[in-house]
Amino acid sequence: KQEVTQIPAALSVPEGENLVLNCSFTDSAIYNLQWFRQDPGKGLTSLLLIQSSQREQTSGRLNASLDKSSGRSTLYIAASQPGDSATYLCAVKDQGGKLIFGQGTELSVKP
Amino acid sequence: DAGVIQSPRHEVTEMGQEVTLRCKPISGHDYLFWYRQTMMRGLELLIYFNNNVPIDDSGMPEDRFSAKMPNASFSTLKIQPSEPRDSAVYFCASRQGSETQYFGPGTRLLVL
Repeated sequence: KQEVTQIPAALSVPEGENLVLNCSFTDSAIYNLQWFRQDPGKGLTSLLLIQSSQREQTSGRLNASLDKSSGRSTLYIAASQPGDSATYLCAVKDQGGKLIFGQGTELSVKP
Repeated sequence: DAGVIQSPRHEVTEMGQEVTLRCKPISGHDYLFWYRQTMMRGLELLIYFNNNVPIDDSGMPEDRFSAKMPNASFSTLKIQPSEPRDSAVYFCASRQGSETQYFGPGTRLLVL
């Protein structure tokens, strides 16, 4: 059974710092991996999607990497801003088409 | 497009009552998903549909939960009878093929 783990559960950084969020999964037979952002009381917004054949994806200050063989992904946020404060969730899409989510990392960027 | 639409946004009910949550997916999307999010268990997939047909309902907690998708633009998740442990945020999401999944704003359910 696929399990997705995110470390750390919470992270607080000063504005301007670069930071890395980690995601690991137990079964490397994935279709793709997605990073989502969730603001308090809101739904999830997709940030980046990495296909299983890809190594990384970039969007603005965000860069996500995927190492399928080791079951790991990282989300790199450059020059963090208070507006980046949110919970970040990673999810793997298994071969059956279902998204399996991690518990999320709650990020706080202090001005 | 207005995105995935869910109603109601908030629901407070008493134990034993029937609760119906509604979802309108993004037009043209052929997959629809229902999730439940709690602090303890995180985000869990309850059921998903492809072209209006339920494909996997293994996440539905018990017989009190049922979901339907009578057409491509509407789905319901029903809880009957509701219990306090059903209190959670219920999300609907849709996607087209293997593309990105889009989530609705969620329905916050509180069962007293």
